[in-house]
Amino acid sequence: DAGITQSPRHKVTETGTPVTLRCHQTENHRYMYWYRQDPGHGLRLIHYSYGVKDTDKGEVSDGYSVSRSKTEDFLLTLESATSSQTSVYFCAIRAGQTGETQYFGPGTRLLVL
Amino acid sequence: DQQVKQNSPSLSVQEGRISILNCDYTNSMFDYFLWYKKYPAEGPTFLISISSIKDKNEDGRFTVFLNKSAKHLSLHIVPSQPGDSAVYFCAAIYSVSNYQLIWGAGTKLIIKP
Repeated sequence: DAGITQSPRHKVTETGTPVTLRCHQTENHRYMYWYRQDPGHGLRLIHYSYGVKDTDKGEVSDGYSVSRSKTEDFLLTLESATSSQTSVYFCAIRAGQTGETQYFGPGTRLLVL
Repeated sequence: DQQVKQNSPSLSVQEGRISILNCDYTNSMFDYFLWYKKYPAEGPTFLISISSIKDKNEDGRFTVFLNKSAKHLSLHIVPSQPGDSAVYFCAAIYSVSNYQLIWGAGTKLIIKP
């Protein structure tokens, strides 16, 4: 257990509305990641953070923004949700002896109608 | 263009026998390879990793083999148990990319009693 929580765990929203997902960690890890998982795909990186206020884009960043104002919280925002953003969203932190391992939260299931 | 491929969407194995999950990759610059296990409605759980400078790593019932010349790795589970039924993801990292994980699409392992 890497002390990662995600909220909400489930959300249903309508197209065009803003949505914010929260990832919270308790162990002061520097690196945090947001992924989405869709059927037939592995996890795909949306954005990641390498410190407070330091973020960068991943493979599928269009339509998403992130913020990290505290070490423990990493927020993912969909400014105007679309049906193509219906997915399961996972947050992760980076740890391990040489920093190569990522540990994941339980996920947020988002449905955009 | 998929850099990490898991060509078998599913695999069925008798309880007590060996399960072998395969993964191919295209990028020779990857530093580490990781295997994750995922149950429905949960986040991926880290199983085992291997550095690109090694060809084998073992942890209990799990062994990962790396064949760099063939750009192939495999996960062996011996003996297979009912609790091993899950989706298994292969992932790869190259450290120069801030340790971003590149994922395969997953293989669903079913252990038959």
